[in-house]
Amino acid sequence: GQQLNQSPQSMFIQEGEDVSMNCTSSSIFNTWLWYKQDPGEGPVLLIALYKAGELTSNGRLTAQFGITRKDSFLNISASIPSDVGIYFCAGPLAGGTSYGKLTFGQGTILTVHP
Amino acid sequence: NAGVTQTPKFQVLKTGQSMTLQCAQDMNHEYMSWYRQDPGMGLRLIHYSVGAGITDQGEVPNGYNVSRSTTEDFPLRLLLAAPSQTSVYFCASKERESPYNEQFFGPGTRLTVL
Repeated sequence: GQQLNQSPQSMFIQEGEDVSMNCTSSSIFNTWLWYKQDPGEGPVLLIALYKAGELTSNGRLTAQFGITRKDSFLNISASIPSDVGIYFCAGPLAGGTSYGKLTFGQGTILTVHP
Repeated sequence: NAGVTQTPKFQVLKTGQSMTLQCAQDMNHEYMSWYRQDPGMGLRLIHYSVGAGITDQGEVPNGYNVSRSTTEDFPLRLLLAAPSQTSVYFCASKERESPYNEQFFGPGTRLTVL
């Protein structure tokens, strides 16, 4: 089946540092989504990517849709304590995103030390 | 709007018991889904619905039943709870014509089966 592999599994950084994480798949995706989950909450969409090579920013966050369509990257610049949480990549399960059927990576747990 | 609401927030069951996890949304979204989240595995789709009266299976449907009698509600039923169903359950909804394939997630139900 479709599997998304995220790395790293966890990161411990100092406030102000930049963060990079990535997601790879064995199959081609037409959409890449990046979510953040705060402790005790449901995931919230950060960035959506729809075209190979696309680079999209949302404030201090930048995500890229890999040219091969089998990977995506998320960068966070100048991290702050509220960036703490779990970051997930997601893509459409077979059948497309039109129904909202998603498959998720394992998540990257981010800890930011003040 | 309250968005996506889930009840209860926490639940402990004994093996073999049954219960229903409630999910409601007030955004008039056609699409609703149930996911479970286990440590190190991201979120996995259990069941989904594209409208009242229409449901289908996701990645991990065994042990769960759903029905969709109204647009607003999408309950998830565990008929014979098993320890393997200990997890955090998230309900999500999506507008049919959402341009960004965005799903709105509820706050989750934390279930422990002893």
